[in-house]
Parts: sequence; C-alpha cells; structure tokens
Amino acid sequence: DGGITQSPKYLFRKEGQNVTLSCEQNLNHDAMYWYRQDPGQGLRLIYYSQIVNDFQKGDIAEGYSVSREKKESFPLTVTSAQKNPTAFYLCASITTGDTGELFFGEGSRLTVL
Amino acid sequence: RKEVEQDPGPFNVPEGATVAFNCTYSNSASQSFFWYRQDCRKEPKLLMSVYSSGNEDGRFTAQLNRASQYISLLIRDSKLSDSATYLCVVRMDSSYKLIFGSGTRLLVRP
Repeated sequence: DGGITQSPKYLFRKEGQNVTLSCEQNLNHDAMYWYRQDPGQGLRLIYYSQIVNDFQKGDIAEGYSVSREKKESFPLTVTSAQKNPTAFYLCASITTGDTGELFFGEGSRLTVL
Repeated sequence: RKEVEQDPGPFNVPEGATVAFNCTYSNSASQSFFWYRQDCRKEPKLLMSVYSSGNEDGRFTAQLNRASQYISLLIRDSKLSDSATYLCVVRMDSSYKLIFGSGTRLLVRP
C-alpha cells in the first residue's frame, strides 16, 4: 500500500541533543513538507521541498535542518538550537498538479526532557 | 497579520444544527484552497477542496470569495461525528508553500 511512513512515533531526548525524524513516501510525490503542531494549535510550516536537492524554509525553520537527496525521503533534524522542540511533527507530501490532496504520515511526538 | 486566520472557536452546537466557519487569507495571489478535518491526536485528513464556483459534498458546502479573501465551510444537519477541528489550507502563489490556519474546533452535542 502506498503512503507516508514517519519514524519514530515517540521520541524522548535530552536538552542539547540533535535528533533526526525520518519521513519516507512511496507515492511518487514530488513535493514534501514538515509541519510542527503544538497542543491546541494549528500546523506551522518548518520546511518544504518541491523537488530533489531543493528545499525552502517555512515560517519556523530556525533550529531545524532538512535534506532531500532522494525523492522518497525528507528527513528532519531538530537541532540543539531549537529553543522549544517538544511538539508533534507531521510530514506530508502532495502531487504537483494544480490541486492536490496532502497525504500525511501518522506523526512523531518529540519530548525534550 | 497572519497569512491564514481562523476563529479558534469552539463552536458548540446541537445535533441537526447548521454551522459555518470562515477562513481569511492575506495573499491575494493565493491559488488553491482546502478544508481539512483533524481528530484529536491524529493527522489531518482532506475534507474538500474549494473551487472558485463553490462546491458541495453531501452536507458540506465550501465557498471562495476572492474579492474579500476568505473561504467558508458550511455544515448542515450536524452529526455528533462532525466534532473535530477544521483547518483551512491555502497554497501561496505559484510555489508549493501550503499554509494552515490555526483551526476551528467544533463540538456537536446530543
């Protein structure tokens, strides 16, 4: 079955540590996204990528980094520079047509202890 | 001003009621518009796309007003299962930057 796989589902880390969240899709989608969601809030865009080897900052990119070496993969690194990293992280992808449905992974819950 | 704004609610309505949400956007070059539904602690799911001419899907009607830069979602004959958070999504200009509103929470009571 086609879809988006995020891992890990739950992650705990100590302050000062970097952590990488995985996002893999087998939908042959060109565009991929990372969003962050805090309790009771909407989704805020961290980074997005329209094609391989290209990505753009979203509204809250500080303290995060991404890569897009393969079409299927768009990992997100939460660095120690991110001041408040505890959140729910959602990866999504979309077909590059005029309209399209965003497909989401099940999310990764990161807690910084 | 936020790029996409929604009234957070909650909207607390009885079963069978009609309820409407609005979502305003700041970029007049915005091209595509969507409504998503999110249940608690789950990923969002597409409810419907919003077309210029307006569109309807069963009890749900979406409309776009480009002049006033807002989209709307109307839910008729509310069901208990409609309780969720409704997110509007706007594609900014010709890029693939997709911005979510903060969501409007709907509670349908018996």
